[in-house]
Amino acid sequence: GAVVSQHPSWVICKSGTSVKIECRSLDFQATTMFWYRQFPKQSLMLMATSNEGSKATYEQGVEKDKFLINHASLTLSTLTVTSAHPEDSSFYICSARGGTTHYEQYFGPGTRLTVT
Amino acid sequence: GQNIDQPTEMTATEGAIVQINCTYQTSGFNGLFWYQQHAGEAPTFLSYNVLDGLEEKGRFSSFLSRSKGYSYLLLKELQMKDSASYLCAVMDSNYQLIWGAGTKLIIKP
Repeated sequence: GAVVSQHPSWVICKSGTSVKIECRSLDFQATTMFWYRQFPKQSLMLMATSNEGSKATYEQGVEKDKFLINHASLTLSTLTVTSAHPEDSSFYICSARGGTTHYEQYFGPGTRLTVT
Repeated sequence: GQNIDQPTEMTATEGAIVQINCTYQTSGFNGLFWYQQHAGEAPTFLSYNVLDGLEEKGRFSSFLSRSKGYSYLLLKELQMKDSASYLCAVMDSNYQLIWGAGTKLIIKP
């Protein structure tokens, strides 16, 4: 149990366009979802935390108008990278909390974004 | 500030034992996690410690000393598939995970 999916698994887009990434908890209700970014050979960097039905809380340095997060239901959160630039190219990973334990985060498989 | 320290890289031999250390200084403590991450993939959960002591799970064990701000992940009977990065993370008083930079483990035949 406790499976999290992400779609797409990889995407290539042109500079200036927007990209939406979906994160779904398949067999549990995710009260909280997290969005991370990971550059090559670096650790995970938390971008934002979202609770269902409320606005996301962004980490310092993360532009909320550029990275739009919507957590409309207990099983779906979306991250939209608006007006993407090459420096936004990264591995984006979502995780969800709310399974059988109160502490464990279940990670999605990640989305590799390449902006050309 | 909050800080998680773990070695950048370690090398071990197939069939051997390796211990990956993690020290932390955080605002509050609600548990320490170890995750495994293969290149190009998302992290997968290995262990969770919130009380002092050793938790054993098959070939992997995790130890915690809260008074010392210290944990280690012990991997026994190493296999080539254990080559990965191992991430130490601490859940702080706000239930946020503070991540270490990860330890890249290289297994040699």
